[in-house]
Amino acid sequence: ETTLTQSPAFMSATPGDKVNISCKASQDIDDDMNWYQQKPGEAAIFIIQEATTLVPGIPPRFSGSGYGTDFTLTINNIESEDAAYYFCLQHDNFPLTFGQGTKLEIK
Amino acid sequence: QVQLVQSGAEVKKPGASVKVSCKASGYTFTGYYMHWVRQAPGQGLEWMGWINPNSGGTNYAQKFQGRVTMTRDTSISTAYMELSRLRSDDTAVYYCARGARITIFGTPLGWFDPWGQGTLVTVSS
Repeated sequence: ETTLTQSPAFMSATPGDKVNISCKASQDIDDDMNWYQQKPGEAAIFIIQEATTLVPGIPPRFSGSGYGTDFTLTINNIESEDAAYYFCLQHDNFPLTFGQGTKLEIK
Repeated sequence: QVQLVQSGAEVKKPGASVKVSCKASGYTFTGYYMHWVRQAPGQGLEWMGWINPNSGGTNYAQKFQGRVTMTRDTSISTAYMELSRLRSDDTAVYYCARGARITIFGTPLGWFDPWGQGTLVTVSS
């Protein structure tokens, strides 16, 4: 089973900031990493597929990087609407596994 | 648009069963795997398994084998997840999520998009 270690668990940012969220896999998963945004009571939104590809319709201030075991979600020029829970998902092998999530607060 | 709409919140007693539905719209229901995921309070997300809506074939996470049953009704584009012998630690929000496209030589491995809105299941005596 691939364990995903996501950090930080919580972070606070100011509009205009740049933030990085990390997800480290316990084994090589190539580029089979995905990132999601979720707001309370809403369905999760797909934002980055296969480590680096921005999902159509997602603002370009979101980006993803990494390969193998180390992955990063970057949000540039943060906006208040980016306050949410972010999590990573690996689809390299079963069982599919998730990071523990990051709660992003905007001051 | 592609959408998954889940059934409403449930309250169950320990030992009972719960069946959550997930109605798909905006795409060919039998063309994509459907996964189920849950999130207990204060915990991370946990994958439970998938169903192939075309064949009815399933694959469950080891943790849930023997207690979970995933089914579908293709006539109404709806997937179901039934969890039996409920315990208090089954209290969680349960999600359905569309997975990979089903192809002859393909794999069920793939990202999830979209997700349902979630169904809160509370297990309490």
